Amino acid sequence: QVQLQESGPGLVKPSETLSLTCSVSGGSLSGYYWSWIRQPPGKGLEWIGYVYYTGITNYNPSLKSRVTISADTSKNQFSLELTSVTSADTAVYYCARHLRDKGHFEYWGQGTLVTVSS
Amino acid sequence: EIVLTQSPATLSLSPGERATLSCRASQSVSSYLAWYQQKPGQAPRLLIYDVSTRATGIPGRFSGSGSGTDFTLTISSLEPEDFAVYYCQQRSAWPYTFGQGTKLEIK
Repeated sequence: QVQLQESGPGLVKPSETLSLTCSVSGGSLSGYYWSWIRQPPGKGLEWIGYVYYTGITNYNPSLKSRVTISADTSKNQFSLELTSVTSADTAVYYCARHLRDKGHFEYWGQGTLVTVSS
Repeated sequence: EIVLTQSPATLSLSPGERATLSCRASQSVSSYLAWYQQKPGQAPRLLIYDVSTRATGIPGRFSGSGSGTDFTLTISSLEPEDFAVYYCQQRSAWPYTFGQGTKLEIK
């Protein structure tokens, strides 16, 4: 059974960089697309972007100038960096594996709350 | 960006009743639509993809239908564990987008 686990700081200061890692167990990064999705408290879901195991990426235009997603197949991990954060970036951040080559999300991490505050 | 509008915002029903949730897209998404269930404090769970295909392990009481811009998730007979928030999501065009959710609550 594929399992995903997010890790990283739960508190980030305004204007700094949010960095999260998703560790994958029970399966390999190879052959799949991997996404980051976020959910502000009490609100809906927003797709941030994906990385293919080869390193190809695609980002939400609303965040594109601030986002970098990368994959490390040797560690079976992929990562998110979001620069110049503000309070609007406070959210639960989920990592997810796509369903085969489709843009739907079959496996999800449990999510990690990141709060942007000084 | 394709906007997905879900209705109703809240649906109050009793166990055993039939639930019908709607999702309307601002432009055609062909058959590239999925439904997710989210319970408090949990990640979303994929229920249905490509309009009508149930994901692995999803009970038969969940079904999806529609095409183009209008889609429906039907739960034929509600079980206590079905009360949750449901989201639709399209993969027809980047960026992938989600609806705002329908909260299914116990009447």
